[in-house]
Amino acid sequence: DAGITQSPRHKVTETGTPVTLRCHQTENHRYMYWYRQDPGHGLRLIHYSYGVKDTDKGEVSDGYSVSRSKTEDFLLTLESATSSQTSVYFCAISESRGQGSWTGELFFGEGSRLTVL
Amino acid sequence: GENVEQHPSTLSVQEGDSAVIKCTYSDSASNYFPWYKQELGKRPQLIIDIRSNVGEKKDQRIAVTLNKTAKHFSLHITETQPEDSAVYFCAPTDLNFNKFYFGSGTKLNVKP
Repeated sequence: DAGITQSPRHKVTETGTPVTLRCHQTENHRYMYWYRQDPGHGLRLIHYSYGVKDTDKGEVSDGYSVSRSKTEDFLLTLESATSSQTSVYFCAISESRGQGSWTGELFFGEGSRLTVL
Repeated sequence: GENVEQHPSTLSVQEGDSAVIKCTYSDSASNYFPWYKQELGKRPQLIIDIRSNVGEKKDQRIAVTLNKTAKHFSLHITETQPEDSAVYFCAPTDLNFNKFYFGSGTKLNVKP
């Protein structure tokens, strides 16, 4: 398995509180992603990063912000959590074209289950 | 962004039968066509992929076929087994940007 860990794995919080999820990789891969998974919606892209300090929005970015200050860490922040953000969050990593290990494959973390009451 | 649709959303087959899942996409720049499998409570994992210069790829009981003109690709599973029961996702992508949008998934149930 690719060296990718998410923390926390489970969190229960209240509406209006800030929440930060962390994704840590040991693979030195260039690309990192945050997805949310909800029944009937599959995996929806929230934000992704194509390098340190380089990020872009996905299809469901409202209410979320991200930061990537170093290659190995990609943080997802909910500034003021809402019940609609109750979900399972997956981080993923990928190498980029031109790199020796590039295959196009996404490697996923184990997921973080967030419940907003 | 890419508009991705998967059909069917659920599929139930008898063990030993074949299963086919179709994925349609909108972005003609897509050049990479992977399929992911997610077992219950687990993370998604790549099971097969194909590049735009190839029409078909096979790996034992699974295969992927691509029709770039019609903008769709399909996952084929032959001789299905109970362990094939899972949710399958497609994620057509332009690898010049590596921005992966997933379909909404197909839940495959293989009955023993």
